Amino acid sequence: EIVMTQSPATLSVSPGERATLSCRASQSVSINLAWYQQKPGQTPRVLIYGASTRATGIPARFSGSGSGTEFTLTISSLQSEDFAVYYCQQYNNWWTFGQGTKVEIK
Amino acid sequence: EVQLVESGGGLVKPGGSLRLSCGASGFSFSSYRMNWVRQAPGKGLEWVSSITTRGTYIYYADSVKGRFTISRDNAKNSLYLQMSSLRAEDTALYYCARSFRDDYFDYWGQGTLVTVSS
Repeated sequence: EIVMTQSPATLSVSPGERATLSCRASQSVSINLAWYQQKPGQTPRVLIYGASTRATGIPARFSGSGSGTEFTLTISSLQSEDFAVYYCQQYNNWWTFGQGTKVEIK
Repeated sequence: EVQLVESGGGLVKPGGSLRLSCGASGFSFSSYRMNWVRQAPGKGLEWVSSITTRGTYIYYADSVKGRFTISRDNAKNSLYLQMSSLRAEDTALYYCARSFRDDYFDYWGQGTLVTVSS
């Protein structure tokens, strides 16, 4: 099983600031990685797939990078609606999620 | 509009069984791999099971293997999860999710809550 490890567990950021979230895979997943956003009481929503491709309707302030075992989700200028929990998911070998990073208001 | 609607959750005693259903609409259900994902209260997402378009290939997380059975009825546009030998740690919100090209999950239902407690 491929283990996905996200850091940090919680990220405190002020609105308008940049947020950088990390995700590490226990073995290479190539670029078969997605990022999801989940707000309280809501269903997860895919933001990024293929490590760096934004899903339909996702604002340009969200960007993904990385390949192999190291990945990053960057939110360039946090808006109020971006405070949520973010999960990475590998789909290279079955499917596994990271434990999530909570982005909270500083 | 793609819609996935789960049902069948509820309170069940340890060792009991439950069958979850997911009704799909707004897309060609038979053309997509489908999945179950769960989320324990206050916890993260855990992939549970996956089934290919015709049910030819089925996969389970180790945590549910031998206890859960995924199936689908393409004529009824429905996905199922038969859960048996339920444990307290199976308590979670169970989501039905569609795979995009066998990869990531592009649409999710609202979930159905399963509580395993005596």
